[in-house]
Amino acid sequence: SYELTQPPSVSVSPGQTARITCSGDALPKQYAYWYQQKPGQAPVLVIYKDSERPSGIPERFSGSSSGTTVTLTISGVQAEDEADYYCQSADSSGTSFYVFGTGTKVTVL
Amino acid sequence: QLQLQESGPGLVKPSETLSLTCTVSGGSISSSSYYWGWIRQPPGKGLEWIGSIYYSGSTYYNPSLKSRVTISVDTSKNQFSLKLSSVTAADTAVYYCARQTEYYDNAFDIWGQGTMVTVSS
Repeated sequence: SYELTQPPSVSVSPGQTARITCSGDALPKQYAYWYQQKPGQAPVLVIYKDSERPSGIPERFSGSSSGTTVTLTISGVQAEDEADYYCQSADSSGTSFYVFGTGTKVTVL
Repeated sequence: QLQLQESGPGLVKPSETLSLTCTVSGGSISSSSYYWGWIRQPPGKGLEWIGSIYYSGSTYYNPSLKSRVTISVDTSKNQFSLKLSSVTAADTAVYYCARQTEYYDNAFDIWGQGTMVTVSS
């Protein structure tokens, strides 16, 4: 089955930059999306189509893609950015099968 | 403002069928711009897509769950539903319903608050 791999955790000091990677074989062919999930809450979409930001999402959230890896970057991290982050994409077989990444816990030191 | 709300039993016995409903308020489920999906999250674990449905009834499911899953839509009630058969303890999770919008390339942009379902005798 198709998998998207993320690092389990990323730690960053306030004001610094956090980068979260997501790797998957189909990412050169399929867009990626990123979600932020705080404890006890539903996920929130922060990036779509690799690098687009939905309305209402702060500019410090950005996304990029290179080959089989996509990256979520949080610039000028704030304490409120501490959360779990999940990438999401689709497999390339044409079956419209969505998959979420393994998740990354971002800790603001 | 569009809102989604999951409802259904919080406790299901092993081998039985889990049934949940998502009620859409503040907008129509019949819009051609949206799909409607179910996602679950076992305690302390990651997200798993279960399946999605279009207002016309067209569905697509996670292959790993396809043999046990049925998603249906009731446009008259502005609801869509999930049935998961032959449940085991591994199906214990928070179940979310969510909207997929073509505006964001079918990303899940609006989510319900989630409902915890425990499988136990």
